Amino acid sequence: GENVEQHPSTLSVQEGDSAVIKCTYSDSASNYFPWYKQELGKRPQLIIDIRSNVGEKKDQRIAVTLNKTAKHFSLHITETQPEDSAVYFCAASPNPNNAGNMLTFGGGTRLMVKP
Amino acid sequence: GAVVSQHPSRVICKSGTSVKIECRSLDFQATTMFWYRQFPKQSLMLMATSNEGSKATYEQGVEKDKFLINHASLTLSTLTVTSAHPEDSSFYICSAARTPFWGYTFGSGTRLTVV
Repeated sequence: GENVEQHPSTLSVQEGDSAVIKCTYSDSASNYFPWYKQELGKRPQLIIDIRSNVGEKKDQRIAVTLNKTAKHFSLHITETQPEDSAVYFCAASPNPNNAGNMLTFGGGTRLMVKP
Repeated sequence: GAVVSQHPSRVICKSGTSVKIECRSLDFQATTMFWYRQFPKQSLMLMATSNEGSKATYEQGVEKDKFLINHASLTLSTLTVTSAHPEDSSFYICSAARTPFWGYTFGSGTRLTVV
């Protein structure tokens, strides 16, 4: 089955700096890669996703890059703000057009943005 | 957008009793429901996948007789934790997917505490 590794497990940055979180996956069949933000006791919230036919996607301060050859993808947050502090999870899924395909999550990164 | 309502949000039960958790898709038909368990400061671990009208598929190490999953309709899936023990205390969260795929929609989670 799929195995998703995520690094770092904790990340502390100063407000205004950039944050980068990296994930690797093992199953070459995976082709959907979402990123979630989870606050304590809450549901994961999708912040950005990318499919394998795209190498990069950006949404305001958030961007995701994907290298299918190397099987890794990264989340980039620029101009970080204290409200970005949360736990971030990467995930991977094969062919999400088949709704029965599950998401496999990385271990999570606790991001702390210091004012 | 797609909404999954999960109840209860918190439950405390005594050891040996059973607890039922419900997830309802409010404005779409959930072809597939995924059930996750999340221990403190850990990632979401898939417990089982269920499709409407068929038996759930459980991940390795998850006892199907202990965690009963029912997906009787396209809008309702339930997880029953039977004979709960303190080690079952965790955050349980469902996630629904539909065909055609438009993302995974998460419930708000259930904090189960077994005393």
